[in-house]
Amino acid sequence: KAGVTQTPRYLIKTRGQQVTLSCSPISGHRSVSWYQQTPGQGLQFLFEYFSETQRNKGNFPGRFSGRQFSNSRSEMNVSTLELGDSALYLCASSGGGEKLFFGSGTQLSVL
Amino acid sequence: EDKVVQSPLSLVVHEGDTVTLNCSYEVTNFRSLLWYKQEKKAPTFLFMLTSSGIEKKSGRLSSILDKKELFSILNITATQTGDSAVYLCAVPNDYKLSFGAGTTVTVRA
Repeated sequence: KAGVTQTPRYLIKTRGQQVTLSCSPISGHRSVSWYQQTPGQGLQFLFEYFSETQRNKGNFPGRFSGRQFSNSRSEMNVSTLELGDSALYLCASSGGGEKLFFGSGTQLSVL
Repeated sequence: EDKVVQSPLSLVVHEGDTVTLNCSYEVTNFRSLLWYKQEKKAPTFLFMLTSSGIEKKSGRLSSILDKKELFSILNITATQTGDSAVYLCAVPNDYKLSFGAGTTVTVRA
């Protein structure tokens, strides 16, 4: 069974640009969540989707948005990038329980 | 707001040593506590402890949950260099995991 797949693995952007990250969950998993990881703040929750509905959202500005498609794949978008958005963005999927399975992440660098 | 505190933040040991990692938590509607290991990028699941099960063991790793004192311990015995990683503790609530800052374990040969 394939794990959680995130693309791209690495991204370099400049301030003011926007970026879209993609996540394919484990087959059969309908819940997808996103986390931001930085050395200073650790792992911070961004949002969670289930069957195309956002069920919870973390304390991030409106520049951070996401969506989930009918095949459970998910994307997150960050608009008007700031230097502080440089981070590892992790996607996780769940088959219904509280155990999350994480992807390898997208390392975003904002210059 | 849910709170998860891990200690120590980092430690260095030699192969064969035993490591004890701590995780204290404050969460409304406690249901479970999870431990993850993060070596490079993807955190990988180690244990989930629930109200009905206060101890888990897998090989050299074991974990206990003290629901009264609101903490959990992760033990690693006979450490190997492959145990070097960041160990994360998390509690679920409202469709999200609240993570501690993690403990960085370095095992020297």
